[in-house]
Formats: sequence, structure tokens, C-alpha cells
Amino acid sequence: GAGVSQSPRYKVTKRGQDVALRCDPISGHVSLYWYRQALGQGPEFLTYFNYEAQQDKSGLPNDRFSAERPEGSISTLTIQRTEQRDSAMYRCASSLYVMGPALAKNIQYFGAGTRLSVL
Amino acid sequence: GQQVMQIPQYQHVQEGEDFTTYCNSSTTLSNIQWYKQRPGGHPVFLIQLVKSGEVKKQKRLTFQFGEAKKNSSLHITATQTTDVGTYFCAGTGNQFYFGTGTSLTVIP
Repeated sequence: GAGVSQSPRYKVTKRGQDVALRCDPISGHVSLYWYRQALGQGPEFLTYFNYEAQQDKSGLPNDRFSAERPEGSISTLTIQRTEQRDSAMYRCASSLYVMGPALAKNIQYFGAGTRLSVL
Repeated sequence: GQQVMQIPQYQHVQEGEDFTTYCNSSTTLSNIQWYKQRPGGHPVFLIQLVKSGEVKKQKRLTFQFGEAKKNSSLHITATQTTDVGTYFCAGTGNQFYFGTGTSLTVIP
């Protein structure tokens, strides 16, 4: 597609329910990132993938959060047993190049995000 | 916790005035990127700096990367209402960190 697509745009769920957030990156982009952004704050890094391999998941808050990208394209961020504190904007970004410690120009293109509200 | 801090958190300027936001990291960064997020929008890439002491310009925007690669700044000359938004720096150290952001309001 033309840009990074995230679905759903809005998700309202009850505490204790599981949710799955989807990210469809720009075609051909090898790296994919998940962030959580609270109102008035900067994006908080959660995890990222190079192709289908999850490179770093140290930003995931706890074991209720998981992410996968089985075919190196679409990714799903799953939150199990949601809690009210999980309410936030969840953003996905993709980049053309592999992210590394000495990366070349590695522009991240962000999706519009999924606004999660846990009641 | 967050390793990249930005100051100020908020800045209100009169249209035509200059604006500067500062980004400081507790660790040395491999590179630094700057993003702009309009109200209700998503972060959009502006520029990347890689070399120590690097300075880059984009029209009225000037970006600097510190000699020690621990700090950076974004300066906007003669602000316009289109400059409104939150400016984030983002750096690569052990992980990839976004700064806390500076929200710019331009008063016409």
C-alpha cells in the first residue's frame, strides 16, 4: 500500500479481554516497529522486527504483550487480559532498511495508530 | 525509562519569532533523527544526523548534532503557523528512543 496501515483505528474493550492490533507496513519495508504513545508524550519503543525476526522485545511492558510478524510483512501486537493502564495510542512504523546500531538513513514511516481504550 | 530528554516541553511563540528545542541523551548516540507530529497526526520524519558536530539545514530549520553525540538541537527561524506541532528527537543507542517532545504553538 501507499503507507503504513493500522487496524482497527479505534478499539474499545473491557478489562480482561484480549486484543489484537494489526499493522500492514509499506510494501518492501524490512523493518517494523511498535510503539505506545500516551497523550502528550513521545512514542515509547515496544519492539521491532527485521523481516520476520523479532530483534528486540525489551520494551514490551510485561508478558501480557506479544508481537509477531510471521511472514515478514503484516505484524500483530497482542495484549492479553487487558488492563485500564494499557489504554493508549499504539503506533506502528516501518522502514526500508534493516535497523542496526550504525544504521544508514533509516526513515521510519508511521501509521495513523490504533487508539485503545480499556474500560 | 526514557533516556532522551527534550526541553522545553512547551513553547509558545509569536509568529515570526525564532524557536529552539534541545535534545539530551544520557548515553552516546549512533545517530539522531528528528520527527514532527502535527496535532492529531503521526510522527513524520524530518532529518537524520550521523556525524559528530554535524549541522544540516532545511529552509528555516537548522539541526545540530553535538560533538559528543549526546545532544542535538533544532532551531526554527521566523516561525510560521504551519510550524505548529510537537517536535521529537529520536536516537539510536542500545535501543531506539524517542525524546519527550517539545510542543510548539505559534500565535498569529
